[in-house]
Amino acid sequence: GAGVSQSPRYKVAKRGQDVALRCDPISGHVSLFWYQQALGQGPEFLTYFQNEAQLDKSGLPSDRFFAERPEGSVSTLKIQRTQQEDSAVYLCASSSLGQGVFDEQYFGPGTRLTVT
Amino acid sequence: AQSVTQPDIHITVSEGASLELRCNYSYGATPYLFWYVQSPGQGLQLLLKYFSGDTLVQGIKGFEAEFKRSQSSFNLRKPSVHWSDAAEYFCAVVSNTGGFKTIFGAGTRLFVKA
Repeated sequence: GAGVSQSPRYKVAKRGQDVALRCDPISGHVSLFWYQQALGQGPEFLTYFQNEAQLDKSGLPSDRFFAERPEGSVSTLKIQRTQQEDSAVYLCASSSLGQGVFDEQYFGPGTRLTVT
Repeated sequence: AQSVTQPDIHITVSEGASLELRCNYSYGATPYLFWYVQSPGQGLQLLLKYFSGDTLVQGIKGFEAEFKRSQSSFNLRKPSVHWSDAAEYFCAVVSNTGGFKTIFGAGTRLFVKA
């Protein structure tokens, strides 16, 4: 069956540009997570959705980062006025349960963002 | 705050040899612990998880992990490594600081030599 997909897989942005990263979770999955993975590091939590509700956005590093999941399925992570420190792999994960952290998270392949 | 430490940045083992990847966590109560594997170009995949009960947990691909509260450890083991096990391995714990979220360690990269 289809897993979590993310697009684009690679994105190069000039400093100051806005970018939008898309995540298609597994159909029917309630929970959706975004993570940021810097080179040589583990994923770091950014934000969490339960259906269309963004229940936790405490990991978003600045107000330039914005995420939405308007219909409770596809999610978009938007970064405004990108900076070099935003360069990382952005991972999306989904889980079938409402309290998704306690269940298996299914990860997408990630979007590698490079800001030049 | 809860945290996870993976002391080894990388490990090299011979194919067929046994493997142990170390993980130490910081958590006041009984932790929810996970091991994930990340192969090149692929998403993270759950190997196993521990919530409660038997402290020796069996996972997929022949992996197991043992929860030791006295040592605050959750080490991952495999009796005989295959070349296809070469990947990055992440230990993770559920944190309940300001809402539940998963905290990942920095990872251990496993190299397998023939």
